[in-house]
Amino acid sequence: DAGVTQSPTHLIKTRGQHVTLRCSPISGHKSVSWYQQVLGQGPQFIFQYYEKEERGRGNFPDRFSARQFPNYSSELNVNALLLGDSALYLCASMIGTLDTQYFGPGTRLTVL
Amino acid sequence: AQKVTQAQTEISVVEKEDVTLDCVYETRDTTYYLFWYKQPPSGELVFLIRRNSFDEQNEISGRYSWNFQKSTSSFNFTITASQVVDSAVYFCALSCYYSGGGADGLTFGKGTHLIIQP
Repeated sequence: DAGVTQSPTHLIKTRGQHVTLRCSPISGHKSVSWYQQVLGQGPQFIFQYYEKEERGRGNFPDRFSARQFPNYSSELNVNALLLGDSALYLCASMIGTLDTQYFGPGTRLTVL
Repeated sequence: AQKVTQAQTEISVVEKEDVTLDCVYETRDTTYYLFWYKQPPSGELVFLIRRNSFDEQNEISGRYSWNFQKSTSSFNFTITASQVVDSAVYFCALSCYYSGGGADGLTFGKGTHLIIQP
């Protein structure tokens, strides 16, 4: 079975722009979570969605938003990009809300 | 709030040595889960193990073993007879879930960079 997939792999944007990152979960998984990993740090939790509803939100500004679609795929949107948003954005999926999270390869975002 | 501390930023050993990665966690919740993930240079986090707070039994999987001690809030990871392919960043993580279905996601430590020299 295919693992978690994310697109694009790499992205370069300039300050003030908007970006959309995409994630497809493992088949049969209904929950998707997003994490931001700055170089040299552990991943930081941004959002968790289950059955298209937001179940958890980390300490990130309102410039970050997400949604989950009926096929359980998800998008992460970031508005008004700042230099500090440069990071590896990881998506993880799990079957329900109490299960092990399996991660995708990530999208590396560079903001210039 | 939850917290995970991995005090070892970087460990370097020679191949075939045993190595232990330390993890200390903090939470006020009685029900929680602990995890270890491996992140090779490619960047993808690879799941290694999950334990729940009610299961203090140690676990062994091949060359990997984990020691969970609630009394010291520690969940340490040992690699026996290390190999060059074990070189990666290893993260310890904690998750707590709420009866209403809410979630705070995984709380990660800062990671330990393990270097296995041939």
